[in-house]
Amino acid sequence: EVQLVESGGGLVQPGRSLRLSCAASGFTFDNYAMHWVRQAPGKGLEWVSGISWNSDNIVYADSVKGRFTISRDNAKNSLYLQMNSLRAEDTALYYCAKALHSFGWSLFDYWGQGNLVTVSS
Amino acid sequence: EIVLTQSPGTLSLSPGERATLSCRASQSVSSSYLAWYQQKPGQAPRLLIYGASSRATGIPDRFSGSESGTDFTLTISRLEPEDFAVYYCQQYGSSLTFGGGTRVEIK
Repeated sequence: EVQLVESGGGLVQPGRSLRLSCAASGFTFDNYAMHWVRQAPGKGLEWVSGISWNSDNIVYADSVKGRFTISRDNAKNSLYLQMNSLRAEDTALYYCAKALHSFGWSLFDYWGQGNLVTVSS
Repeated sequence: EIVLTQSPGTLSLSPGERATLSCRASQSVSSSYLAWYQQKPGQAPRLLIYGASSRATGIPDRFSGSESGTDFTLTISRLEPEDFAVYYCQQYGSSLTFGGGTRVEIK
């Protein structure tokens, strides 16, 4: 059974940093690209960032480019999102999502349950 | 960036009725790279349809997808109680964008 479990969220002040983690199991992690998608309270889905199976290809939404860094550790079956210079508008539930493919733009066949990040003073 | 516009924002229907959800793209979507997801309150999205018209594993055949140019449609032939949820379309042909969602609520 595929499982994606996010951790690391919480309440943080504007301008500070936070690192999200996603522990994957139930599939061959290094065969697939992975992504982060977020959802602000009561709002729709917004794609944040994606990373190819071997970390060679990394992409970001314009809204987070230069502030967020995605990475993965295939030996640990883990995905990460380092979030710096956080803003109030980054407040959202952050989902870890497994891509259907190993690289490139993709759809998502499995999602974690989400981890809430609240940016507030 | 391809913008996806979903309509209507809310659809009020009764169980057993047919639901027709629309997703219009601002430009052509490469190779029909469009997916539909269902999201229930407090849950993560679930993949329903990919490639505009292919059902994901385990999705009942009352769900179907179609396309006509830049217009994509998700049809639920007969609404079951568990189908009342929010539905999102997503294109993955050029970057990644989601539509704003359509809420299907019980009338």
